This record gives sequence, structure tokens and C-alpha cells, in this order.
Amino acid sequence: DAGVIQSPRHEVTEMGQEVTLRCKPISGHNSLFWYRQTMMRGLELLIYFNNNVPIDDSGMPEDRFSAKMPNASFSTLKIQPSEPRDSAVYFCASSWGGEPPYGYTFGSGTRLTVV
Amino acid sequence: GQQVMQIPQYQHVQEGEDFTTYCNSSTTLSNIQWYKQRPGGHPVFLIQLVKSGEVKKQKRLTFQFGEAKKNSSLHITATQTTDVGTYFCAASGSARQLTFGSGTQLTVLP
Repeated sequence: DAGVIQSPRHEVTEMGQEVTLRCKPISGHNSLFWYRQTMMRGLELLIYFNNNVPIDDSGMPEDRFSAKMPNASFSTLKIQPSEPRDSAVYFCASSWGGEPPYGYTFGSGTRLTVV
Repeated sequence: GQQVMQIPQYQHVQEGEDFTTYCNSSTTLSNIQWYKQRPGGHPVFLIQLVKSGEVKKQKRLTFQFGEAKKNSSLHITATQTTDVGTYFCAASGSARQLTFGSGTQLTVLP
């Protein structure tokens, strides 16, 4: 298995532009997570999908952020309009959501810079 | 999700010395997971602890879950330069999503 695949690896955009981050989870995993990592705030959970359904989006900063999972093999995180404070590394992770939950497999992340 | 506090934030050790990072919660945890993130990399799952007082070993790494399931530790014996990175504990909430601790950044001096 190729693991969790994220694209792009790096994204530099101007403030006000729309940014779309993409994620392909591991086949067979039924849970998908979007995290954001910054020096100041560490690893923050943004949104969690189970069987393609959003379960917890309480970590989504504001209405500028939206996430979708149209099928079991693809998810997007969109920021519109982007702001400099959105600069961070965005990770997608997937797992098999058993009880207790299995370990997460993280993608390599997207380093977003908003100038 | 569950809140977990991790200490220390930073640790510098000489190669060959031991290292320990601690994870604490004010509430009882159902389970705890540990991850390692190399500089510039992504978190990689190391292990999960579920039972009270559980101890698991992976080569030079020893993981413990407290008897009250409110704390956990990761101990590395005789550190090597390959151990460099940030070690995170993480606990799951009611909906199974993980909340990560702030991490301990380990530097190993050759």
C-alpha cells in the first residue's frame, strides 16, 4: 500500500485566494482526519469523517474552511479566502475505526504558506 | 476530546543517555497512543496502550500506562542519533478522534 497520499506537498498562495488540499486514505480505512500543525498550537484536529460522513467538525476554525469526502478514497480541505494565519502544515490521516481505535497513518502533509 | 499534558517540552541528551517523556491527564483515559515525528516529517504511530498498568517494549523503547489510566510514559534506553524527533502522546475522545499532546522534542548530541 502506498500509504496516505496528500497533494500538493507545498502550496504558496496569496491572501484571498482559494486553496484546495487533497487526500487519498489507505484503502479499507473507514476513518479520515484532517489535522493542522503549527509551532504555536501543535497538532489540532480540524475535522473527522467516519464512513465518509463528517462526525466532528468542531475544530474547523471558521466558515472559510470546508471539507468534503465524496467517496471512501478521496477527501478535500478547502480554504476560501485564505489568510496569512492559515499558514501551517496540514496533515490527513486515516485509520480503521475500531474500539479502541487503531493507530493513525498520516500522510506526508501539505505545507501551506499564505503571503 | 481528552486533554493530555506532556512534559518536558524539550530534552537534549548525549548519545547513549536515557530519555523519558511523560503524558498526564486529569481524567481517566480509555487508551493512549504514542507517535514519533522526525524533523520535517509526519507523525508515525508507535504503539497503543489500553490496559491499566500495561507495559510494552519495542527494542530500546518502553511504554507504560499508569494504574489509574491517567498517565503514561515513554522511556528510551541508550539513545541514538536516530531517536531524534518529537514524541507525541495522544488520547481518544468519545467519538474516537485523537487529541495530541504538545510533544517532547528530543535532541541527541553525538
